[in-house]
Amino acid sequence: DTAVSQTPKYLVTQMGNDKSIKCEQNLGHDTMYWYKQDSKKFLKIMFSYNNKELIINETVPNRFSPKSPDKAHLNLHINSLELGDSAVYFCASSQVWSSGGPGETQYFGPGTRLLVL
Amino acid sequence: GESVGLHLPTLSVQEGDNSIINCAYSNSASDYFIWYKQESGKGPQFIIDIRSNMDKRQGQRVTVLLNKTVKHLSLQIAATQPGDSAVYFCAETLRAGNQFYFGTGTSLTVIP
Repeated sequence: DTAVSQTPKYLVTQMGNDKSIKCEQNLGHDTMYWYKQDSKKFLKIMFSYNNKELIINETVPNRFSPKSPDKAHLNLHINSLELGDSAVYFCASSQVWSSGGPGETQYFGPGTRLLVL
Repeated sequence: GESVGLHLPTLSVQEGDNSIINCAYSNSASDYFIWYKQESGKGPQFIIDIRSNMDKRQGQRVTVLLNKTVKHLSLQIAATQPGDSAVYFCAETLRAGNQFYFGTGTSLTVIP
């Protein structure tokens, strides 16, 4: 069973479109995250959710919005896609936030490769 | 072989040799550190972690060393194997402030 899954794996779309990426974790974790990884492999955290509350919101454009229908899901909606949005987007989850131990270990999904044309 | 993560993002080692991957972290208040391994086409995977009250921790073929004085973290891989070829990231966490950051990554290539 896949612990953290993302769909779709590949996403090719035109500039200006709106798209969503879905993420699900079956680990029973409390916190989920979205990362963007650029072509140089740099990982930047975009959002995280703990018990349906946004606890980190880095300075990403407001075209990006996380949606968490329940603890096991954190979807990423992107409006008016731009060329610079092309990247690999990773979802991750961890058991707890600020637990003082292994709870911070994050489990990553396989990534969604987004290409904006 | 040895690398400095921020300045030498690529490291090549012979199979069977030991590898050392270095990471300079930014926040002296960071209190928890993790090394991740990312293979081509996959998401990062946890390798080993260490708390700030420790200076060394060992796993299976891997050892993490923490030097808080100079804010330096290293990952040592013993008897490097082709399957160790990947990008390695260090991550620092400041639990009290709900902050964590990933380093820039080091690409390790194992030469058979």
